[in-house]
Amino acid sequence: EPEVTQTPSHQVTQMGQEVILRCVPISNHLYFYWYRQILGQKVEFLVSFYNNEISEKSEIFDDQFSVERPDGSNFTLKIRSTKLEDSAMYFCASYPEEVRGTQYFGPGTRLLVL
Amino acid sequence: AQSVTQPDIHITVSEGASLELRCNYSYGATPYLFWYVQSPGQGLQLLLKYFSGDTLVQGIKGFEAEFKRSQSSFNLRKPSVHWSDAAEYFCAVVLGGYSSASKIIFGSGTRLSIRP
Repeated sequence: EPEVTQTPSHQVTQMGQEVILRCVPISNHLYFYWYRQILGQKVEFLVSFYNNEISEKSEIFDDQFSVERPDGSNFTLKIRSTKLEDSAMYFCASYPEEVRGTQYFGPGTRLLVL
Repeated sequence: AQSVTQPDIHITVSEGASLELRCNYSYGATPYLFWYVQSPGQGLQLLLKYFSGDTLVQGIKGFEAEFKRSQSSFNLRKPSVHWSDAAEYFCAVVLGGYSSASKIIFGSGTRLSIRP
């Protein structure tokens, strides 16, 4: 069964550094998402992406964040200057735009900012 | 504002006992409803979903959920839990209308522990 994959599984970075989290959505899916989960808290929506542009973003998704689909298969989340509070699990998801479809989640990238 | 409430932060049940996890949503129309499970350090696995029709939906791992419009609830049930069911359970909604391409709104989760 096709899966959403994410790399790396874990990343440790210093405050102020840039990080890029990578996702490979399921190949025929059209919508892509990033969510995050701060340790012990609920999963929160960050951004959705369709037709090569952001379709919706949350108030969390400020100018520090950007998303890109650079090559037709990868979907990336960049955090320009990480803060301590960016430490979280980041989930990528993709959606096929089918009747009664669901979003498929990747396994997540655990980001730790020191 | 649209929201999902899971009133129980942590529940402990004995292995073999029945389980019910509560979920209430706040939304003017009928949303699409989901239950996800997350084992420690793992990703999110879809247990079941409700879009319309039969209000009792069956999912994987022996779970079921019942949509009750009058109570704005979508409670998750299992007749007999197994030790492997210990995990965090998230109720979630999508508000996007016919297509579920819109963002998912998650509840705060219920942590399930199993007593041997």
